[in-house]
This record gives sequence, structure tokens and C-alpha cells, in this order.
Amino acid sequence: GQQVMQIPQYQHVQEGEDFTTYCNSSTTLSNIQWYKQRPGGHPVFLIQLVKSGEVKKQKRLTFQFGEAKKNSSLHITATQTTDVGTYFCAGFSMDSSYKLIFGSGTRLLVRP
Amino acid sequence: GAGVSQSPSNKVTEKGKDVELRCDPISGHTALYWYRQSLGQGLEFLIYFQGNSAPDKSGLPSDRFSAERTGGSVSTLTIQRTQQEDSAVYLCASSPRSSGRTDTQYFGPGTRLTVL
Repeated sequence: GQQVMQIPQYQHVQEGEDFTTYCNSSTTLSNIQWYKQRPGGHPVFLIQLVKSGEVKKQKRLTFQFGEAKKNSSLHITATQTTDVGTYFCAGFSMDSSYKLIFGSGTRLLVRP
Repeated sequence: GAGVSQSPSNKVTEKGKDVELRCDPISGHTALYWYRQSLGQGLEFLIYFQGNSAPDKSGLPSDRFSAERTGGSVSTLTIQRTQQEDSAVYLCASSPRSSGRTDTQYFGPGTRLTVL
């Protein structure tokens, strides 16, 4: 079945350093979404990418969708302690219009 | 407006007992999902409801798990004869299903289930 893998599993950075998480799908995705889950909280939607090669920015966060629509990345510039949490990518496969397949997540820890 | 709500927030039960978890989706949202999240893990799809269509139950891990959605709104996830491996956070999400694949999922706070 379809799998969505994320690396790294954990990342511990010093405040001010950059952070990147990578998401790879075993199949072509129709689109990809990113969610953030704070410790003890629930996933909260961040953004959706639909087009091949699409790049979107939200303040210090930059999201990319690969040309082949099989991979994606989230880059955070100059991390802050408020960025702490687990970041999940989730994608719809081409053969499903409703079933999001979630990656395993990357847990970000930021040292103040 | 109100978000997705779930109850109870925490449930501790003994092995072998049945439990019911409730989800109230955002009003007007036609799609409802249940996920399971084990400690430190990702989200495991359990079941999907859309309007009056037959639910997609392909993610339910065993026949001890069942779910229903009454009146296209509130949903109940039932776990019979709970086992220790059922311990996890059970998350419910709803979406407006207004545009298919581009829908955002709105998650509830989850129910943390602990089976002793």
C-alpha cells in the first residue's frame, strides 16, 4: 500500500538555527498537506500544496512540493521555541479523494 | 465557531471492558474521520464517513472496533473487549468535503485511552 515517510524522526536544534523535514511518498500524490502538533495537542493544519514544484511561504516557514509530486519539504528559518512540536506531512493519493495518508512525523525540539 | 469536540478527554479502563468514544464534528461538515495515534507515532487511519454513503472501514484493526455516525453528525467509536495494545490517543477530524482532495481536516482534542 501507499506509504509516506518522513525524515528525520527527531531534530534538536539551538534557537536561531534552521530546520528542515523531508517527506517522501511511494506513489504520486494529488496534493500534500502539512500539520503541526504541539506537545499534548492535536494536529493543526498549516498549508496545502497542489501544483508540481509549488513553493509557499508562511513567515519563517517555506513549503515545497516536488516536481514529480512524490516528495515535499518544510523548512523553518531561524527557529524559535514556539516552533517546538511534531510536523506531519499528509498526502492524498491519485486513487483516493478522501483518505489522507500521514507521514510518521518529525519531532522538533528547540533549545533556548 | 465551535471546533471538533471529543469526549471523554481521558478514559482509563480495565482489559476486557468495552469503551465508547464520542466525536462531535464541526456543524455542516459532511466528512468525519477517526485516527489512532500511539505514543510518539504518526496517525493511523481507522474509518471515514461521508454523508449517507457507506463508511470506509478499511483501517479498523480488528472486529473489536466499530463506529457509527448518527444523523450525519455525531460519531461513536466503540472498542469491545479492550486490550492493552488499544491504549492510544483516538483523534476525530471533520472536513467540509466541499472540494474533495483539497479539503482541510480539522482535528478534535482527542481521547486518551489507557487500558490497564
